Amino acid sequence: GENVEQHPSTLSVQEGDSAVIKCTYSDSASNYFPWYKQELGKRPQLIIDIRSNVGEKKDQRIAVTLNKTAKHFSLHITETQPEDSAVYFCAARAFGNEKLTFGTGTRLTIIP
Amino acid sequence: GAVVSQHPSRVICKSGTSVKIECRSLDFQATTMFWYRQFPKQSLMLMATSNEGSKATYEQGVEKDKFLINHASLTLSTLTVTSAHPEDSSFYICSAPSENTGELFFGEGSRLTVL
Repeated sequence: GENVEQHPSTLSVQEGDSAVIKCTYSDSASNYFPWYKQELGKRPQLIIDIRSNVGEKKDQRIAVTLNKTAKHFSLHITETQPEDSAVYFCAARAFGNEKLTFGTGTRLTIIP
Repeated sequence: GAVVSQHPSRVICKSGTSVKIECRSLDFQATTMFWYRQFPKQSLMLMATSNEGSKATYEQGVEKDKFLINHASLTLSTLTVTSAHPEDSSFYICSAPSENTGELFFGEGSRLTVL
């Protein structure tokens, strides 16, 4: 089955700086890669996703890049703000399979 | 976006009792729903896939007789934790994929505490 690894497990960034979280996946059939933000005690919220037919996607301060050959994808947050502090999870899913496999999560702390 | 509602949000029960958690897709139909468990400071671990009108598919290591799943309609799946013990205390979250995009929408989660 799919295995998703995520690094780092914790990340502290000065407000205004950029944050990068990286994930690798094992199943070459995976073609959908969402990123979720989860605040304490709340449900995960989709913040951005990318499909395997593109290499990069951007939405305001958030961007995701995908390298299919290397089987890794990354989340980039620019101009970080205190409200970006949360736990972020990457995930992967293969075509025709509705099941998502999650990474281990990254606790991002923005230092004011 | 699609809305998934989960109830109850918090439940405290005595060891040995059973607890039922409901997951509803409010504005779309879901032939499949997923149940996850999340321990403190850990990731979401898939427990089982709930299939409308048929048996649930359980992940390896998840006891199907302990975690009963029923998906009786296209908008409702239930998870019953039977004979709950303190080690079952966790955050249980359901999710359902959008019919159109396949995007996964999550319920609010249910925090179970077994005394």
